[in-house]
Amino acid sequence: ETGVTQTPRHLVMGMTNKKSLKCEQHLGHNAMYWYKQSAKKPLELMFVYSLEERVENNSVPSRFSPECPNSSHLFLHLHTLQPEDSALYLCASSLRTEANYGYTFGSGTRLTVV
Amino acid sequence: GENVEQHPSTLSVQEGDSAVIKCTYSDSASNYFPWYKQELGKGPQLIIDIRSNVGEKKDQRIAVTLNKTAKHFSLHITETQPEDSAVYFCAANGANNLFFGTGTRLTVIP
Repeated sequence: ETGVTQTPRHLVMGMTNKKSLKCEQHLGHNAMYWYKQSAKKPLELMFVYSLEERVENNSVPSRFSPECPNSSHLFLHLHTLQPEDSALYLCASSLRTEANYGYTFGSGTRLTVV
Repeated sequence: GENVEQHPSTLSVQEGDSAVIKCTYSDSASNYFPWYKQELGKGPQLIIDIRSNVGEKKDQRIAVTLNKTAKHFSLHITETQPEDSAVYFCAANGANNLFFGTGTRLTVIP
């Protein structure tokens, strides 16, 4: 365990479903991130939160909706997804968002949209 | 924003040989360069990092070099072992987040 826990590990959902991904860290970090990892592509930043406030949204479609209720928890709410959204979704945390601190990643949620 | 390029995309070496992975970056303001290892079914894990005030850093069989003038940095793994087989990512920092390379799949052949 890295200190960042993601659930579920695997998720299969239909295009009309609504589901949520959960991320939890108890490392005392103040920044949390959602990344999308697709085959043969760089890790794509989706959202950045600093102390529960969103500081960056990389033009992500509105069918992805993040929520950060406190500095230890991060959610990604999913609805009406497309097959091309199938990917590994990684959560990460760091001490601060200045990005000159290392990230701690979770193991990811493997999402398949059918 | 920052653009990080990584080469090669795949690398196969015999056990005991060395492996070198190279990255370039575009933003001269970047000052932090971590390397991550991702094993099957796991998230990326930080294995070594270097800041722009040093040119080289070593940790046992792993070393990283940085050339700020040329804007490139490299990961060196010596005496490779089968458990080194994984995907390796380089990264460089932007204002609020890290920018990652596309990854190198390293296979160490026993």
